[in-house]
Amino acid sequence: QSALTQPPSASGSPGQSVTISCTGTSSDVGGYNYVSWYQQHPGKAPKLMIYEVTKRPSGVPDRFSGSKSGNTASLTVSGLQAEDEADYYCGSSAVNNNYVFGTGTKVTVL
Amino acid sequence: EVQLVESGGGLVQPGGSLRLSCAASGFTFSSYWMNWVRQAPGKGLEWVAKINQGGSEKYYVDSVKGRFTISRDDAKNSLYLQMNSLRAEDTALYYCVRGRNGAGDYWGQGTLVTVSS
Repeated sequence: QSALTQPPSASGSPGQSVTISCTGTSSDVGGYNYVSWYQQHPGKAPKLMIYEVTKRPSGVPDRFSGSKSGNTASLTVSGLQAEDEADYYCGSSAVNNNYVFGTGTKVTVL
Repeated sequence: EVQLVESGGGLVQPGGSLRLSCAASGFTFSSYWMNWVRQAPGKGLEWVAKINQGGSEKYYVDSVKGRFTISRDDAKNSLYLQMNSLRAEDTALYYCVRGRNGAGDYWGQGTLVTVSS
């Protein structure tokens, strides 16, 4: 099972929006509505930000939103804030009861 | 408050074995799938294994099949990962992760495994 493909980096100024893509195949992203997104600050454990493509866990700001079209999922962070600077990983259920993560995207707030 | 605390990491020689433990609290441990996820130094996340409620179903990433075994003890609210035939490429921070709605909703702080001679 290969890692899902994400852009290595993305950036935006405070208040702007940034969108991160996550491309897989019909064996993972395209075949399941179990796509999730995780935020990881340096030296910290990942934190769940989006699950089941579009849902936000309690406590996650509504500035974070998720979507999916075909084999590609996306995370959009609106109204960028300094604390949003972090690494972001997508994850998806996959065939044979596997789970696969994306390659990761470093988001920089300019 | 949900807490997951990993232990058992350390330095081991190639070909050696190690057993990781994860102590869970703050939720009904027996009701959840549980996972191990690892992150090599400076690298991305890699799902390693998962186990269902009761322990009857276990799944692994191809690279650890036949070498790693995931297990759980619901009476002790604990998750385990027995790692045998360790290789340099197994060097990573290993996270214990609660599974819910097809995602990992709570993560421990991780335990570091270093495989080196």
